[in-house]
Amino acid sequence: GESVGLHLPTLSVQEGDNSIINCAYSNSASDYFIWYKQESGKGPQFIIDIRSNMDKRQGQRVTVLLNKTVKHLSLQIAATQPGDSAVYFCAENWAQNAGGTSYGKLTFGQGTILTVHP
Amino acid sequence: KAGVTQTPRYLIKTRGQQVTLSCSPISGHRSVSWYQQTPGQGLQFLFEYFSETQRNKGNFPGRFSGRQFSNSRSEMNVSTLELGDSALYLCASSVSEGNYGYTFGSGTRLTVV
Repeated sequence: GESVGLHLPTLSVQEGDNSIINCAYSNSASDYFIWYKQESGKGPQFIIDIRSNMDKRQGQRVTVLLNKTVKHLSLQIAATQPGDSAVYFCAENWAQNAGGTSYGKLTFGQGTILTVHP
Repeated sequence: KAGVTQTPRYLIKTRGQQVTLSCSPISGHRSVSWYQQTPGQGLQFLFEYFSETQRNKGNFPGRFSGRQFSNSRSEMNVSTLELGDSALYLCASSVSEGNYGYTFGSGTRLTVV
């Protein structure tokens, strides 16, 4: 049968604007969150991360906000540039500890397509 | 510092064949994870290896397998290929297993015809 692809949310902004990309995560036990940027033909590139004991973390031009109450994560990009155009993924990592060993895996959101117009 | 290296970059196989993909992690990284990326399902976890042992496995059939060598390099194998296995296969390495950041390679684009 015909396969149905994911319909990714899209965000279009003008160069210089601030961008906000949102993500809802699924596991309330997740304790580590990462934002990745993926450009065409490349693998996901790390942008910024945050642990569950924090609400906010800032990097260069980027800020991640974590709201554990509603299981929501956001990525804010200041002064967005055309080079920021890409698909952005949030990922949650839940590390289960067993016998002193930690087993982790990333669960990714569906992604958001960001397009920055010059 | 070299990044995560995946080979080959592109691969075309016929239904029923088997395929082996290779991943060399960042020097000093001991954990290697594999992910499948498709337009329909997005990015999905396959498995994670640490110290030559599979530590975690995603919800994929037994046709998908992997291994890790003593130098932390990893391979994944898919047997009896199906059309639906066409995807971008991504490898990610981390300093250790569990709760750490992961660096991804550029992936191997597998097309099954």
